[in-house]
Amino acid sequence: EAQVTQNPRYLITVTGKKLTVTCSQNMNHEYMSWYRQDPGLGLRQIYYSMNVEVTDKGDVPEGYKVSRKEKRNFPLILESPSPNQTSLYFCASSLNPKNIQYFGAGTRLSVL
Amino acid sequence: KQEVTQIPAALSVPEGENLVLNCSFTDSAIYNLQWFRQDPGKGLTSLLLIQSSQREQTSGRLNASLDKSSGRSTLYIAASQPGDSATYLCAVDDYKLSFGAGTTVTVRA
Repeated sequence: EAQVTQNPRYLITVTGKKLTVTCSQNMNHEYMSWYRQDPGLGLRQIYYSMNVEVTDKGDVPEGYKVSRKEKRNFPLILESPSPNQTSLYFCASSLNPKNIQYFGAGTRLSVL
Repeated sequence: KQEVTQIPAALSVPEGENLVLNCSFTDSAIYNLQWFRQDPGKGLTSLLLIQSSQREQTSGRLNASLDKSSGRSTLYIAASQPGDSATYLCAVDDYKLSFGAGTTVTVRA
């Protein structure tokens, strides 16, 4: 089954404790991206990747890192999480940026 | 910077009524527009993608129109059902996807 898998689905952590949210897709998509969704603000893009080893900043990249060492995986790294990063995070993939985007189920992160 | 607006923020209708959801955007130089459905605790599911050269796209009971010159798109859902209850998001693709905040739809049985 074609899918985008995020882990974990729920995470509670404390300020400053490094964490990684994994994202994996099985559709051989070149394009992957991360979004955060906050009430009243909609989805905002954090980072995107056009292909392996090619990543770029989205609208709200501060406090986040990504890597794309393999085509199928695109982890999101929070080196020193802060409470303002409490949010719902989505990973998405597509053949290219102009095609239908496939989203993961989301990761709800709380930073205390 | 592209601004995407969806009005109303919430909508409640009786079962069987047709739904009309609106999306407006500020910059008409777009590649395409997508409509998504979001269910609580789940990710987004793409419903329809309209290329900038198209005026409308249809899938089953769903029909989406696009008027680039006026910066508007409308999603029509015919004969609504309780299973249509969800949040509907539109996203405009110029050089990246810009999302509206969504319209939360409740269809009452």
